[in-house]
Parts: sequence; structure tokens; C-alpha cells
Amino acid sequence: AQTVTQSQPEMSVQEAETVTLSCTYDTSESNYYLFWYKQPPSRQMILVIRQEAYKQQNATENRFSVNFQKAAKSFSLKISDSQLGDTAMYFCAFTRVASGGGADGLTFGKGTHLIIQP
Amino acid sequence: DTAVSQTPKYLVTQMGNDKSIKCEQNLGHDTMYWYKQDSKKFLKIMFSYNNKELIINETVPNRFSPKSPDKAHLNLHINSLELGDSAVYFCASGDRGFGTQYFGPGTRLLVL
Repeated sequence: AQTVTQSQPEMSVQEAETVTLSCTYDTSESNYYLFWYKQPPSRQMILVIRQEAYKQQNATENRFSVNFQKAAKSFSLKISDSQLGDTAMYFCAFTRVASGGGADGLTFGKGTHLIIQP
Repeated sequence: DTAVSQTPKYLVTQMGNDKSIKCEQNLGHDTMYWYKQDSKKFLKIMFSYNNKELIINETVPNRFSPKSPDKAHLNLHINSLELGDSAVYFCASGDRGFGTQYFGPGTRLLVL
């Protein structure tokens, strides 16, 4: 079974600062995907970024980037130039690529509540 | 157009009642999922359907039954509701070969 650990229950930074959210995972799989999802107070789950395990290059999406360390099983999210709208719960998630090529359901970490202060 | 929609958004009901939550996706994905988010915000997979076939069925009471009339719909029926069923239920869809899942807005269920 896979586990995902987010060790920071809550973080608070000033607007425009850079912040890094930590995530580690445990799996015996070699082929999998990792994700960061954002959940603002509206409750909607929004995909932030996706990383394929076989790709060494770290994924980036505008102000969001990841530091994927496969050997260390670490997948941190960096948010640059943080904005008030980034205030949300952030969830790290894992899914393995099942035999037959399909991906399973997501296994989530417990989340990090990120607060951006004006 | 909403990609993944759920109805209703809020559901307040009494213990012992039976209720359903509907989910529809217009993304053309082959797989749909149900997740439960508890009061501590923890998200856990409940079910997964691929092309109308049940793929994942985690340890969920058999009072919960998913029903998929077609690839675009996955409904969740809950019998004999209990206080502990109070949670937010999310529907999601994705292509199994790609991994990414897109979530509906969630249904907040409150059992009194």
C-alpha cells in the first residue's frame, strides 16, 4: 500500500514571498504519478501540477514548480511570488500505474493549510 | 460548461434515510471515482468505475452502492444513513492511462 505524508499542517507567509510545501511518499512501485491539488475555501479541488515518475525533469506551471527526488521519495511544491489567492489547503497525491496501463485512485496526504498574509 | 458536476451540493437528512448523489462528466473520460473527505479534510478513495465496470471498491460499508448507467455518469446511493456518514463526497473523472483526475464541486452531506 502507498502512503503520502505532508509534515506541515499549516504554513503562513507574506504576499510575494516564496514558499515550499513538503511531501514524502512510500511505495514499492516504479511507475506512478504524483500531483499537487489545491482546495480553496470554495471546496473545489483544483489540479496544480502533475509529475510522471519516469521523467527526471521537474514539472513547472507558471509560479508553481516541484522538486521531485525519486530516490528520496520526496515531492515538494514551490510557489513563487505568492498571492492572496494562493491561500488554500494543498494536498499531495499519488497514483500508481496499474498492470494493464491504467492508473488507480489517488492516495492523498493530510494536507497543508497555506495562508498568504497581505 | 462544467466539466464534472454533482447534485446536490448540499444534503441534510435524518439518520436511517436513503439518499443519492448524482455525478456527470462531459470530458469524455473512461473512468470515474468517488472520494470521501472527512471533517479533518482527509480524502479517501471509495469507488472507481472504468467503462461502467467496478474497478476499485475500498473498504466501504455495503450501505454505499455506486451505480454507473453509462460512461458519463456515476451515482452514489447510500442506504440507512448514519451520523458517521456526514462528510463531503467528491466525484472525479479521468483517463486511467493518464493518471490525472478532475473533481466535481463536492456534495456536503449532513446526517442529523
